[in-house]
Amino acid sequence: EVQLVQSGAEMKKPGESVKISCEGSGYTFRNFWIGWVRQVPGKGLEWMGIIYPGDSDTKYSPSFEGQVTMSADTSSNTAYLQWQSLKTSDTAMYFCARLYGSQLDSWGQGTLVTVSS
Amino acid sequence: QSALTQPASVSGSLGQSITISCTGSSNDAGSYKFVSWYQQLPGKAPKLIIYESTKRPSGVSDRFSGSRSGTSASLIISGLQAEDEANYHCCSYAGTHSVIFGGGTRLTVL
Repeated sequence: EVQLVQSGAEMKKPGESVKISCEGSGYTFRNFWIGWVRQVPGKGLEWMGIIYPGDSDTKYSPSFEGQVTMSADTSSNTAYLQWQSLKTSDTAMYFCARLYGSQLDSWGQGTLVTVSS
Repeated sequence: QSALTQPASVSGSLGQSITISCTGSSNDAGSYKFVSWYQQLPGKAPKLIIYESTKRPSGVSDRFSGSRSGTSASLIISGLQAEDEANYHCCSYAGTHSVIFGGGTRLTVL
C-alpha cells in the first residue's frame, strides 16, 4: 500500500525557519514525482511545485518560486519543504502528494504550519 | 494560468443526484482530457475519486462519475448519502509535471 506520512504541526514566529517532511513507503520512492499543495484555512488547494526524488529535478509554481525550497533524500525516502524566513501569511496546511500519470493518487495527512508573533 | 472555476457550494437531498462543474479558459482546453477530482472530508486530506476525466480508482463508489465537454468537466454524484458531505476539488494537468486546481465546492446534503 502506498503511504505518505508527514511530520507534525509546527508553530513558529515570523522570520524563523522550518523544514517539514513527507516520508513515502509501499513503492519505489525515487521513481515518482512528489508535489506540495498549500491550503489556507477555509480556502481551496494551491499548487506549490514538485520534485523528482531520483535526480532532485524541481519545478516551482511562479507564486512560490523563491519563497520555499523543495528537496528529497532517497536514502530515507523523504521529501522536504522548507522556509528560510516565515511570514504570517505562510500559515496554512501543507500536503504532499504523489503524482501518478496526470493525477495525485496518494496524499499525506497534512502538516499545519502556524506563524504568529 | 488562472485557477479553474467551480461553484462555491451545491446542495442536494438524500438519494438525489448533483453535478459540480469545473470550467477553465480556452488555454486549458487541450488539457481537459486529464481532469481529476478530489473529495476532502472535514479535517482530512484530499482523496482521488476521478482521474482522466471519467475513470474511477479502485475502491471508489460507482455513485461518483465524471464527464468532459469542451473546456469544462463535471463531477456527478448519484444517490446522495450523508457521508458525501465534503469539499470537492477539480484539478487539471497543466503539463511539465504541474497541475491547476479549482477553487473547491462545498457539498451540503440536506
